[in-house]
Amino acid sequence: EVQLVESGGGLVKPGGSLRLSCAASGITFTNAWMSWVRQAPGKGLEWVGRIKSKTDGGTADYAAPVKGRFTISRDDSKNTLYLQMNSLKSEDTAVYFCTTPDYYASRSYTHFDYWGQGALVTVSS
Amino acid sequence: QSALTQPASVSGSPGQSITISCTGTSSDIGRYNYVSWYQQRPGKAPKLMVYGVSDRPSGVSNRFSASKSGNTASLTISGLQAEDEADYYCSSYTSGSTLFVFGTGTQVTVL
Repeated sequence: EVQLVESGGGLVKPGGSLRLSCAASGITFTNAWMSWVRQAPGKGLEWVGRIKSKTDGGTADYAAPVKGRFTISRDDSKNTLYLQMNSLKSEDTAVYFCTTPDYYASRSYTHFDYWGQGALVTVSS
Repeated sequence: QSALTQPASVSGSPGQSITISCTGTSSDIGRYNYVSWYQQRPGKAPKLMVYGVSDRPSGVSNRFSASKSGNTASLTISGLQAEDEADYYCSSYTSGSTLFVFGTGTQVTVL
């Protein structure tokens, strides 16, 4: 069974920093392309960024609103994905989901099969 | 990159069929066959219902079908059931630096 478990959420002041983690099990994490998707309270889904597997270059891409402030990284030895969030703004308040495609089933990286339960980040003074 | 446009709400009676539209641009839906659909119940994570425009993951009911024409994608739920009540989001891969865009979301109500 695939499990993605986010942690590290909480309350942070504007301008502050926070790091989220996503522990993965049930997947071959080293081959996984992992994404973060967020959802502001009562709002829709918004893609935040993605990191490729190290085999495929290990590079990360970001949505325009977070580029330069957020950094996605991975520790394959720990099967863990990270989201370092700096210079946080009130509009970053959201539930943050980690997610990944089941490449072996679909041969595609352009959708999201598995999702964590989400971690709530609240940016407020 | 703007969100894809979906109707805010769609409703139907049990057994009926409903269709949710998702309108994008020539930079996303119109360019790629990488449209996916997600079902989200309150307080839960999204669930993949369709990928690659019209493919269903294993375990998703064949009452869910989807298609695309030009810049617009559609999700049809046939034989509507009470358990289908949820929010539905479309998504597409894009040609911009923001690789994925989601729709504005549609609340489905079973009357």
